[in-house]
Amino acid sequence: DARVTQTPRHKVTEMGQEVTMRCQPILGHNTVFWYRQTMMQGLELLAYFRNRAPLDDSGMPKDRFSAEMPDATLATLKIQPSEPRDSAVYFCASGSRGTGGMNTEAFFGQGTRLTVV
Amino acid sequence: EDQVTQSPEALRLQEGESSSLNCSYTVSGLRGLFWYRQDPGKGPEFLFTLYSAGEEKEKERLKATLTKKESFLHITAPKPEDSATYLCAVQPSGYSTLTFGKGTMLLVSP
Repeated sequence: DARVTQTPRHKVTEMGQEVTMRCQPILGHNTVFWYRQTMMQGLELLAYFRNRAPLDDSGMPKDRFSAEMPDATLATLKIQPSEPRDSAVYFCASGSRGTGGMNTEAFFGQGTRLTVV
Repeated sequence: EDQVTQSPEALRLQEGESSSLNCSYTVSGLRGLFWYRQDPGKGPEFLFTLYSAGEEKEKERLKATLTKKESFLHITAPKPEDSATYLCAVQPSGYSTLTFGKGTMLLVSP
């Protein structure tokens, strides 16, 4: 059963601490997305990668957020230092390029619920 | 700037009471329009992709339609298990990313 796996599912941390969220995309998918979901803003794109290369991270606060793909089976999103306004659910999604170069649908993980106190 | 507006924000139906959810969008060239379902505490689950005006897709009690400015998700004779938040998203031409609306929270009562 192919699925996107995210860890941890829940994280409570104190303001100023470093937070690392991990994602294992579906095997064979070459595109990985990071989204953040809040009640006020809904789902917002933070960053995305194709073939492990970052293509767009314009939605991410550069001073504190960083996203990487050390290898094809692991994507990470790091916040340092964390702030209370970072509290949200962070989703990773993966997809692939279908026929004609069009992207297929994105498959989402279960998310990491982050609370910064 | 791409925009997606979903209405209503929340909808309460009785079991068997059919209705439609609306997704209005503005995008500089549409590659695809996506519908997702999200249950509480879960990630969005893919339902449909529509690529061109006039296209329709069906899955069980759900049917999605697309025009040049909006998409509808029709729910026929809903059941309580259809209760969820339904999200609409657009994928602009030349991009792989999705811009999401804020969703419609559907509650179907027995």
